[in-house]
Amino acid sequence: EAGVAQSPRYKIIEKRQSVAFWCNPISGHATLYWYQQILGQGPKLLIQFQNNGVVDDSQLPKDRFSAERLKGVDSTLKIQPAKLEDSAVYLCASSSNRRSYEQYFGPGTRLTVT
Amino acid sequence: QQQVKQSPQSLIVQKGGISIINCAYENTAFDYFPWYQQFPGKGPALLIAIRPDVSEKKEGRFTISFNKSAKQFSLHIMDSQPGDSATYFCAASYQTSGSRLTFGEGTQLTVNP
Repeated sequence: EAGVAQSPRYKIIEKRQSVAFWCNPISGHATLYWYQQILGQGPKLLIQFQNNGVVDDSQLPKDRFSAERLKGVDSTLKIQPAKLEDSAVYLCASSSNRRSYEQYFGPGTRLTVT
Repeated sequence: QQQVKQSPQSLIVQKGGISIINCAYENTAFDYFPWYQQFPGKGPALLIAIRPDVSEKKEGRFTISFNKSAKQFSLHIMDSQPGDSATYFCAASYQTSGSRLTFGEGTQLTVNP
């Protein structure tokens, strides 16, 4: 079974630019999560999708961050405009309906904002 | 109420020794407590998990001890190996709803040969 795929793996942008990250969850996993992991900290949830609907986006900075999950499979997370404090690793995770509490993470995208 | 506090921040152990990492939580509604292992440049990988109706769970060299009354749980790595050197995160969530994981701050474990 293939794991969670993410791209790009690394991205360097200047502040005020925009950036997008892509995630393909494990096949058949209905729930998809985006986490932000700042260096030296644990991951923090940004948004959770169940199929193509948003379940939890309470910690998403909606003035600059947006996410979508069209057709309930792939997802895209966008930042516009980026700030220096957005430098972090953006992790995508997924879980199945049968074992929704077990979340499986992708390798992440390391974003550096200069 | 949503915090999970983890200690120590870093840990150095000799090969063959026991590594112990501790976590404490506040929200008594949490009902699922996983541990994740993360190597540099990789995403967190689920290592072992426990529910509050048991006090201990063992998988190979990894054991979780759970103290519901104290709202604490810990990871024990027996016979620690250099390959165990990684960052370990405890977490908590509500199992029934597949909700967000609330992570601890992480422990960087180094196992010296």
